[in-house]
Amino acid sequence: GEDVEQSLFLSVREGDSSVINCTYTDSSSTYLYWYKQEPGAGLQLLTYIFSNMDMKQDQRLTVLLNKKDKHLSLRIADTQTGDSAIYFCAETAVDNYGQNFVFGPGTRLSVLP
Amino acid sequence: NAGVTQTPKFQVLKTGQSMTLQCAQDMNHEYMSWYRQDPGMGLRLIHYSVGAGITDQGEVPNGYNVSRSTTEDFPLRLLSAAPSQTSVYFCASSASGTGGSADTQYFGPGTRLTVL
Repeated sequence: GEDVEQSLFLSVREGDSSVINCTYTDSSSTYLYWYKQEPGAGLQLLTYIFSNMDMKQDQRLTVLLNKKDKHLSLRIADTQTGDSAIYFCAETAVDNYGQNFVFGPGTRLSVLP
Repeated sequence: NAGVTQTPKFQVLKTGQSMTLQCAQDMNHEYMSWYRQDPGMGLRLIHYSVGAGITDQGEVPNGYNVSRSTTEDFPLRLLSAAPSQTSVYFCASSASGTGGSADTQYFGPGTRLTVL
């Protein structure tokens, strides 16, 4: 079955860049997503990338996709304390009934002052 | 639009009790799903629905039932709660569930369930 892996923890200093990595297994994934979950809150869509793209930039966020290695990364420039959260990578897996999302375990980002 | 709403936010049950987690969306989305989130395991799909009257099992369906009598509502029922069902439950919806740049999932705020 489909599987998505991420490192569970990442610590960075305020102002530095954060890079959160993700690997996935389903080569037929069409879209890959990054979600952010702040403490006590639900999931917020951060960004997504279509599988035929290598890179997508959105303000402080840069998504890089290496489809050959099935590797996805999220770079946050100038990381702030408000970026402290859990970041989930998700791939979309299509079956006979439509699209299901397969999530990774989440990477807990801690931003140190 | 309220988006995806879930009630209750918190719930404590005793082993063997039953309850229903409510989920509603006002975006006229066809596709709705329930996930549970456990530490270090990320989100796992419990049940999903591609439209009113149609439901199917996800990755971890045992101990849960769902129904979809309307487009707006997708309740999750725990028939006989067990400590292994202690988790945070998220409901989500999307336009069609068939992919596409607009077909992102919107999540509710979650229900934190503890089974003693």
